[in-house]
Amino acid sequence: SQQGEEDPQALSIQEGENATMNCSYKTSINNLQWYRQNSGRGLVHLILIRSNEREKHSGRLRVTLDTSKKSSSLLITASRAADTASYFCATQGGSEKLVFGKGTKLTVNP
Amino acid sequence: NAGVMQNPRHLVRRRGQEARLRCSPMKGHSHVYWYRQLPEEGLKFMVYLQKENIIDESGMPKERFSAEFPKEGPSILRIQQVVRGDSAAYFCASSPSNGRDDTQYFGPGTRLTVL
Repeated sequence: SQQGEEDPQALSIQEGENATMNCSYKTSINNLQWYRQNSGRGLVHLILIRSNEREKHSGRLRVTLDTSKKSSSLLITASRAADTASYFCATQGGSEKLVFGKGTKLTVNP
Repeated sequence: NAGVMQNPRHLVRRRGQEARLRCSPMKGHSHVYWYRQLPEEGLKFMVYLQKENIIDESGMPKERFSAEFPKEGPSILRIQQVVRGDSAAYFCASSPSNGRDDTQYFGPGTRLTVL
């Protein structure tokens, strides 16, 4: 069953603006991960946040996790055209498998 | 350190033929995962393997699909008697340990088209 649900499904912004994507999930997790996928390509791991963490930063990325609301957000600051891609959240619970959402398609217009 | 390798990158098969997808994990990684992605969808877990063992195949269709990760060589995902509904991108990922709290590194995928 689909665990993560991202919103919005699609997001279009101008270069320099911030992009925020949200992810909600249903069951308890060990960690939540965000991946990026350029059109027709493989997945690139962006960031992993563990269930006992509330916020994590990596470069222009900021991820928050609220386990009480079963939700996470990914913020990309000062977006660039090269950030155009689909972004997926994936959760890991009691097993090794990742459970992915359907993704947010981000378009950054130059 | 080369990443996860998958081949072929694109595979075209006619209905009823067999498809064999290969995955070489990153150096030092002994855990392999296969996922399938339908158009405009997220990835769905299929199977998790360690060397010579299938650990979790809860996402694998019961018929026509099989996977192996032999002691030597790449992991193979095999689809027998392919049907149009098997058309998808198949991704392999690897991790150095059991992956329960560990990053999985993905390959570029094999895009299977069934005519």
